[in-house]
Amino acid sequence: SQQGEEDPQALSIQEGENATMNCSYKTSINNLQWYRQNSGRGLVHLILIRSNEREKHSGRLRVTLDTSKKSSSLLITASRAADTASYFCATGSNTNAGKSTFGDGTTLTVKP
Amino acid sequence: KAGVTQTPRYLIKTRGQQVTLSCSPISGHRSVSWYQQTPGQGLQFLFEYFSETQRNKGNFPGRFSGRQFSNSRSEMNVSTLELGDSALYLCASSLGREREAFFGQGTRLTVV
Repeated sequence: SQQGEEDPQALSIQEGENATMNCSYKTSINNLQWYRQNSGRGLVHLILIRSNEREKHSGRLRVTLDTSKKSSSLLITASRAADTASYFCATGSNTNAGKSTFGDGTTLTVKP
Repeated sequence: KAGVTQTPRYLIKTRGQQVTLSCSPISGHRSVSWYQQTPGQGLQFLFEYFSETQRNKGNFPGRFSGRQFSNSRSEMNVSTLELGDSALYLCASSLGREREAFFGQGTRLTVV
């Protein structure tokens, strides 16, 4: 089964609003990465957060990690129509070299 | 800096045939991972190579194999293709463990 589970599965918002997506995982991790995928194309790397970090920012993106709850969240502020995509979290651990375990993703639709 | 390059972008094969997909990582990256993405199973890890050695393997049948060359380029081979092998095959490269993994645009394989 997948390690990560994103919530919600689908999210629809208006341009300018904030979007929050959550990711839960089951086992201990060393890091967690967030990716964006546009309509069956490649994955675009957004942010990597390590297990000893609690929060990271990159432009309009804010990622938090709570290892005690085995969960992470991705916040996109002031969303744009171009943010419409699927968002995935992927976990990595020392016991599984080179492998990222992906969740099922959240499909975000931003209406202009 | 050039990104991860996958060739070909699209491929149509007949059941029973075999196929080879290619992945050129970002310059300096020695780790290459392969993933299969389908609507039903999501993103599934196939295998990971580092410095020409397979370090990790997912739960796929032996028909799926790969290799990495001394220049870090990697190939993935699928023999005796089945209809269920139709998928988007993605490769990712990274500098190593706990580093960001960057994906290519993928190869869309259709088996008819």
